[in-house]
Amino acid sequence: EVHLVESGGGLVRPGGSLRLSCAASGFTFSSYSMSWFRQAPGKGLEWLSYIVISGGTTYYADSVKGRFTISRDGAENSLFLHMNSLRAEDTAVYYCARDHLGGVFDHWGQGTLVTVSS
Amino acid sequence: DIQMTQSPSSLSASIGARVSITCRASQSITRNLSWYQQKPGRAPKLLIYVASNLQSGVPSRFSGSGSGTDFTLTISGLQREDFATYYCQQSYSTPWTFGQGTKVEI
Repeated sequence: EVHLVESGGGLVRPGGSLRLSCAASGFTFSSYSMSWFRQAPGKGLEWLSYIVISGGTTYYADSVKGRFTISRDGAENSLFLHMNSLRAEDTAVYYCARDHLGGVFDHWGQGTLVTVSS
Repeated sequence: DIQMTQSPSSLSASIGARVSITCRASQSITRNLSWYQQKPGRAPKLLIYVASNLQSGVPSRFSGSGSGTDFTLTISGLQREDFATYYCQQSYSTPWTFGQGTKVEI
């Protein structure tokens, strides 16, 4: 069974940094591209970033470009999101998800909450 | 960026009812449209992809249609477990974008 488990969320001050992790199991991690999404409290879903199978190509939403970095470690079956220069508007539940078919996401983690506040 | 607009934003329906939610893209996305269901405190769940393909394990009362800019998600025979928020999402080009959601209530 496919499992994605996010971790690393928490309370951080504006301007601070955080690294989110997504542990994958139940499938061949190295065969799938992956993405990060977020959902602010009471709001809709927002795609943030995408990394291809090899890790050699990445894409970002304008809202996080230059501040967030996506990466993956095939040996650890893990996906990461390095977040810098955090702002109050980055407060959200962050989800990782598996790419089923080029922008279609068939499995999602349970999410990890990031709160940016002084 | 491609803007996705869902309607209605919310609806009330009874058990057994037939419900339709529409999604309009700001430009043609051919058939690159997915539908997700999300319940409070839970992760999104993929229901439909490429406009009309039912994801494995999803009940057949869910169906999708459309192409170009206009799409529809239909639930035929609403069940109690279907009360949730539904999102459309385009996978035609990055940034992949979602509709604002449609909350289906009793």
